[in-house]
Amino acid sequence: EVQLVESGGTLIQPGGSLRLSCAASGFTVSDNFMNWVRQAPGKGLEWVSVLYSGGSTYYADSVKGRFTISRDNSKNTLYLQMHSLSAEDTGVYYCARAEMTSRLAYDYWGQGTPVTVSS
Amino acid sequence: DIQMTQSPSSLSASVGDRVTITCRASQIISSYLNWYQQKPGKAPKLLIYGASSLQSGVPSRFSGSGSGTDFTLTISSLQPEDFATYYCQQSFSTPFYTFGQGTKLEIK
Repeated sequence: EVQLVESGGTLIQPGGSLRLSCAASGFTVSDNFMNWVRQAPGKGLEWVSVLYSGGSTYYADSVKGRFTISRDNSKNTLYLQMHSLSAEDTGVYYCARAEMTSRLAYDYWGQGTPVTVSS
Repeated sequence: DIQMTQSPSSLSASVGDRVTITCRASQIISSYLNWYQQKPGKAPKLLIYGASSLQSGVPSRFSGSGSGTDFTLTISSLQPEDFATYYCQQSFSTPFYTFGQGTKLEIK
């Protein structure tokens, strides 16, 4: 069974750093396009970053230069390292798999991990 | 960036109603359009991909159509569990996928 479990979200002060994790089971992270999507309180969904199976990475303009996506193949885990956090980064962060058989739609999502940036 | 605009932003309907939600892209995206359902406090769930393909396990009362810039999600007969927020997403502009602002479907 495919499962994604995020962790690492917490309350953090503006300017701080945080690393989110997304532990996968039932499939291999490195064989898929893995994404981070966030949702500010009461708002819609915003794509944040993607890590391709070949290793290429891409970021939304709002996080470029501050966030880094990576994976640990031995742990089958996806990460999002976040720096210089501001209130605008507050929200629930989801990891999601983009699958070829569904034309790269996001077929599996984690339950989300909440990040609150506040003093 | 490709902008996705959904209408309406909110909708009230009754169990058994037929409901249609529309999504318009700011440029042609062929059939690279996906629909998700999100319930409060839960992760989004994929309903439709490629504009009209039903994701495995999704009830057949959900259907999608459209191509180019205009798309629709139709629920043929609303069930109590269908009251949720629905999002469209374009997957044409890889990897910079963008979502619509959402349509909240509420019980009348």
